[in-house]
Amino acid sequence: QQQVKQSPQSLIVQKGGISIINCAYENTAFDYFPWYQQFPGKGPALLIAIRPDVSEKKEGRFTISFNKSAKQFSLHIMDSQPGDSATYFCAASSGGGATNKLIFGTGTLLAVQP
Amino acid sequence: EPEVTQTPSHQVTQMGQEVILRCVPISNHLYFYWYRQILGQKVEFLVSFYNNEISEKSEIFDDQFSVERPDGSNFTLKIRSTKLEDSAMYFCASTPSTDTQYFGPGTRLTVL
Repeated sequence: QQQVKQSPQSLIVQKGGISIINCAYENTAFDYFPWYQQFPGKGPALLIAIRPDVSEKKEGRFTISFNKSAKQFSLHIMDSQPGDSATYFCAASSGGGATNKLIFGTGTLLAVQP
Repeated sequence: EPEVTQTPSHQVTQMGQEVILRCVPISNHLYFYWYRQILGQKVEFLVSFYNNEISEKSEIFDDQFSVERPDGSNFTLKIRSTKLEDSAMYFCASTPSTDTQYFGPGTRLTVL
């Protein structure tokens, strides 16, 4: 029940296209859903995050869509650029503060072709 | 912009040896974490630390692991007797009092 399932495992998108990565969870206690971007040899960097009280959050070209009833959330990258090529992890947590461990999805390797 | 730093970037050790991985969290942060990532796999939670004590630990964090905040700035992860399966990237993270966790660049641990 602590798992976060992520798909697809890898994704190839043409420059200017839309990249869509999906995640699903079971634990209804999760109340914070961040997306992290990771480049090779680097640590995960927070990209955007959402709480269940909203269905969508947009920051620049990045949008999270959240479906509380389906227990699913997704990352949309509009106008994808070669510089977006990285591994993307969804995550979830609950409780806040010191017990706020992140449960990560398995990651999606995104390649944006020029 | 403040960053979480980690040293060393790469540590090679022999099986059975002790290693200490070091982290300097962002200065005003209060909550600290260690995660690990085996090559090609997802990031896994190891331990959280607040107010100089462990808040939560995962099943991975057995008696061979320990954490310490020895001097108010550093945050260390010690593995007493390394095993081959401990080879992974180890990430330190910190957060002030919100959900956003800031990750360091990681230490690649190779156990031979």
